Amino acid sequence: DVQLLESGGGLVKPGGSLRLSCAASGFTFKTYAMSWVRRAPGRGLEWVSSISGSSPRTYYADSVQGRFTISRDNSQNTLYLHMTNLRADDSAIYYCAKEGNYGDYDYWGRGTLVTVSS
Amino acid sequence: DIQMTQSPSTLSASLGDRVTITCRASQSISNWLAWYQQKPGKAPKKLIYKASGLELGVPPRFRGSGSGTEFTLTIDGLQPDDVATYFCQQFYSYPGNFGPGTTVEI
Repeated sequence: DVQLLESGGGLVKPGGSLRLSCAASGFTFKTYAMSWVRRAPGRGLEWVSSISGSSPRTYYADSVQGRFTISRDNSQNTLYLHMTNLRADDSAIYYCAKEGNYGDYDYWGRGTLVTVSS
Repeated sequence: DIQMTQSPSTLSASLGDRVTITCRASQSISNWLAWYQQKPGKAPKKLIYKASGLELGVPPRFRGSGSGTEFTLTIDGLQPDDVATYFCQQFYSYPGNFGPGTTVEI
């Protein structure tokens, strides 16, 4: 079975940094693009960043461009999101998602909560 | 970027009702649309792929239709387990923007 397990969330002060991880299993990780999607309290789903499977190309939402870096370690089947210069409006549950055959997301992790507050 | 809208934002219905949610794209996306269900405290779950394909294991009371710029998700016979927020997502072009969501209540 496909499993995606996020970790690394927590409480951080404005301007701080955090690195999220997503451990993947149950599929050939290096074959698939992966994404981070977040949902802030009272808000909808927001795509944050994506990375292709190999020879990775990366994509970012305007709201995080220049502050967040997505990466992957295909030898460890792990996806990362390095977040810097965090702001209050980055507070959200961050989900790791596997891209399906049609470009949509066929599997999601349970999420990790990031709270940015002084 | 392609913008996605949904209506209504909240929907209250009775058990057994037919429920329809509409999703519109700011430009044609052919049938490159997915629908997701998110229950409180849970991860999103894909229901529909390519506008009308039913994901394996999803009850057949869920039905997707549409193409171009207008799409609908229909629930035929609302069940208690269907209380959730429903999101559409276009994947015609990057970024794969989501609609703002429709919360279904009973």
